[in-house]
Amino acid sequence: GDSVTQMEGPVTLSEEAFLTINCTYTATGYPSLFWYVQYPGEGLQLLLKATKADDKGSNKGFEATYRKETTSFHLEKGSVQVSDSAVYFCALAKTSYDKVIFGPGTSLSVIP
Amino acid sequence: SQTIHQWPATLVQPVGSPLSLECTVEGTSNPNLYWYRQAAGRGLQLLFYSVGIGQISSEVPQNLSASRPQDRQFILSSKKLLLSDSGFYLCAWGVVQETQYFGPGTRLLVL
Repeated sequence: GDSVTQMEGPVTLSEEAFLTINCTYTATGYPSLFWYVQYPGEGLQLLLKATKADDKGSNKGFEATYRKETTSFHLEKGSVQVSDSAVYFCALAKTSYDKVIFGPGTSLSVIP
Repeated sequence: SQTIHQWPATLVQPVGSPLSLECTVEGTSNPNLYWYRQAAGRGLQLLFYSVGIGQISSEVPQNLSASRPQDRQFILSSKKLLLSDSGFYLCAWGVVQETQYFGPGTRLLVL
């Protein structure tokens, strides 16, 4: 079945370091891909999304490109801040079913 | 704009007691509704989802049940809580292949 795989972490980075969180997916057809972020004690919120191959989603300095040839949607940020400390979830959704498939989440901790 | 409410925010319940968590959505009609659970340090586990009033799909056999008595109301229940029911419960709404919008969550501690 369809699935999402991502590095589980925890990932610890110093402030201003470069961030990459890998996400790969297995799915038939043409899913939409998402990154959600969960700050401590809160619900998830959408960070960015891409709906077709080669689309780049971007928000708050984060970027991810939908690569169909490698079935990947890696999250990147050039310079992380302490306020980026959170759990990041990669996810996919398709028109053929009503639910979203989430990866296991990657915990990021940014230290000053 | 759409808003999603969950209550209570925090709940401490003894083992064997009943549970009722409520989720309501404003600003949208006929949304898909979802209940997730997140155990400490773990990922999201989809518990139930609903595509319409009275339509409930269960993802994992367990001690919980869900109901959707109105279009924008989704309730998670249990007749007798277990220790393993402790966790962070998240309600969400969405449409097919689009963004899901999450509520603020309910933190449940079963003692």
